[in-house]
Amino acid sequence: SQQGEEDPQALSIQEGENATMNCSYKTSINNLQWYRQNSGRGLVHLILIRSNEREKHSGRLRVTLDTSKKSSSLLITASRAADTASYFCATGWDNQGGKLIFGQGTELSVKP
Amino acid sequence: DADVTQTPRNRITKTGKRIMLECSQTKGHDRMYWYRQDPGLGLRLIYYSFDVKDINKGEISDGYSVSRQAQAKFSLSLESAIPNQTALYFCATSDSARSAAGANVLTFGAGSRLTVL
Repeated sequence: SQQGEEDPQALSIQEGENATMNCSYKTSINNLQWYRQNSGRGLVHLILIRSNEREKHSGRLRVTLDTSKKSSSLLITASRAADTASYFCATGWDNQGGKLIFGQGTELSVKP
Repeated sequence: DADVTQTPRNRITKTGKRIMLECSQTKGHDRMYWYRQDPGLGLRLIYYSFDVKDINKGEISDGYSVSRQAQAKFSLSLESAIPNQTALYFCATSDSARSAAGANVLTFGAGSRLTVL
């Protein structure tokens, strides 16, 4: 079964606006990652946040993690048309042999 | 050249045929994975291997088999393809330096699109 669930499934915004995507998970985790996928291409790692971190930044990306709510959010500030892609969270947890399990993804469309 | 190379990139086949998808990597990573992507279902793990002698089933291994021929090569086989195996398949790799669960950062190939008629 899927560990992470992204919300919303699809998001459409104008260039310059901020985009926020959320990920909820079921089991306590050690780490959570976010990946990006351009249409039909391989996924690319964006950022990793550890369970003892609450917030992490990378360029225009800001990731938060709330372990009490078992949720994470990815914020893309000042979005660009080139940010159009699908975004996935991925988690791993103890007793799962090092597997990384992906959510269903949020499809982001940024209109020029 | 890409760090993780998948062949073929596209394949159309018929029900009952045997299909092999190949993956090779130049990252020097110990760990290799096969995922399947279907619209609306995200990525689901089929098999993974932490070294040449270690093969593990993922979430959806039925109907698939794998072979880790070398550290750099990991192939996925469909012994008798069926239409619901039509999907986009991804190979990924990671190193073993990070032992904490969920800390493995994956490098993905470009994908192999398989259509079973």
